[in-house]
Amino acid sequence: DQQVKQNSPSLSVQEGRISILNCDYTNSMFDYFLWYKKYPAEGPTFLISISSIKDKNEDGRFTVFLNKSAKHLSLHIVPSQPGDSAVYFCAAIFAGGTSYGKLTFGQGTILTVHP
Amino acid sequence: ETGVTQTPRHLVMGMTNKKSLKCEQHLGHNAMYWYKQSAKKPLELMFVYSLEERVENNSVPSRFSPECPNSSHLFLHLHTLQPEDSALYLCASSQVLGVGANVLTFGAGSRLTVL
Repeated sequence: DQQVKQNSPSLSVQEGRISILNCDYTNSMFDYFLWYKKYPAEGPTFLISISSIKDKNEDGRFTVFLNKSAKHLSLHIVPSQPGDSAVYFCAAIFAGGTSYGKLTFGQGTILTVHP
Repeated sequence: ETGVTQTPRHLVMGMTNKKSLKCEQHLGHNAMYWYKQSAKKPLELMFVYSLEERVENNSVPSRFSPECPNSSHLFLHLHTLQPEDSALYLCASSQVLGVGANVLTFGAGSRLTVL
């Protein structure tokens, strides 16, 4: 039973355009969501997060949108750059209590940004 | 060194061998984690240590034995593994409390192949 799903294994985008990566979750207890980026031969690195009390969080070129009713979040990268080419993982957690660090991850989406 | 360092980066072992994976963090964090990433599967949480005490064992077989001698070091002792245990093993660390508790810093991983 996969509680966090990234249904698109890959995404190809032209440099300068918008990249939209999607993530769906099933567990309504999740209240904190994160995106990680992973380059080959490196560990995942934290990109941006959002709490369930918000519906949008922005950090430079990266914006995460949360639709709680649809149990859906998305990561927008504008404008996309070739250096953004990586695997992007969505993760979720129930931040209340003692759940620290016990992230549930999606399978990842491979983003390729073409020059 | 900074961040989270994992050694070895690559390990090949037979099913009867005993080996260990090592993780060291230089971030002053006090929670450490082992995650497993198998081919085409999401990252799966294996173990959580908080303040050097194991607080989570996510139904991991006993052939995997973690050890956390202090808040900066984490080991994963491996013995009598199976070929299906071949995977990327990722160590991570975080704060225990506050928002930082859910933002993990990962190492580059140890790629394990069991023959």
